[in-house]
Amino acid sequence: EVQLVQSGAEVKKPGESLKISCKGSGYSFTANWIGWVRQMPGKGLEWLGNIYPGDADTRYSPSFQGQVTISADKSISTAYLQWSTLKASDTAIYYCVRSITGSTFDYWGQGTLVTVSS
Amino acid sequence: DIQMTQSPSTLSASVGDRVTITCRASQSISSWLAWYQQKPGKAPKFLIYGASSLESGVPSRFSGSGSGTEFTLTISSLQPDDFATYYCQQYNSYPYSFGQGTKLEIK
Repeated sequence: EVQLVQSGAEVKKPGESLKISCKGSGYSFTANWIGWVRQMPGKGLEWLGNIYPGDADTRYSPSFQGQVTISADKSISTAYLQWSTLKASDTAIYYCVRSITGSTFDYWGQGTLVTVSS
Repeated sequence: DIQMTQSPSTLSASVGDRVTITCRASQSISSWLAWYQQKPGKAPKFLIYGASSLESGVPSRFSGSGSGTEFTLTISSLQPDDFATYYCQQYNSYPYSFGQGTKLEIK
């Protein structure tokens, strides 16, 4: 059974750094893309970017390029999304997603709520 | 970037109704379109890819059609489990983008 298990909710202050995780199981982690999708409170879905853990090929949405970093550690089948400097506007649920082709998202993690508030 | 626009934003319907949600792309995306269903407090669920191909396990009352810039998601006979928010997503080109969502409510 394919599973994506994300790290727990975070409460941070503006200016702090953060790294959230997503552990994949039940499939070949290195042969599928992992992506990240943001959902701000009461809003729709936004694609941040994808990574192919097999060779670390990474694609970002221009809206998020430079704002976040996507990485993966294939030795532990885990992908990461990190911020160096959080802003209040980063408050959202972040979903990790699996993608066989890198384009559609067939499995979703349970979501990680990130709250940034002073 | 390709903009995706869904209509309506909210749709009220009854169990047993046939409903259609429309998704329009700002430029041609061929058939590179997916649909997702999201229930409150849950992660989205993958329904359709390639504009019209049902993901495994998705009930046959769901269907998708269209190509180019105009697409539809149809539910042939609404069931209580179908009341949710639906999103289209284009994957013709980076950056991938979603529609703003259509909330399907019980009338």
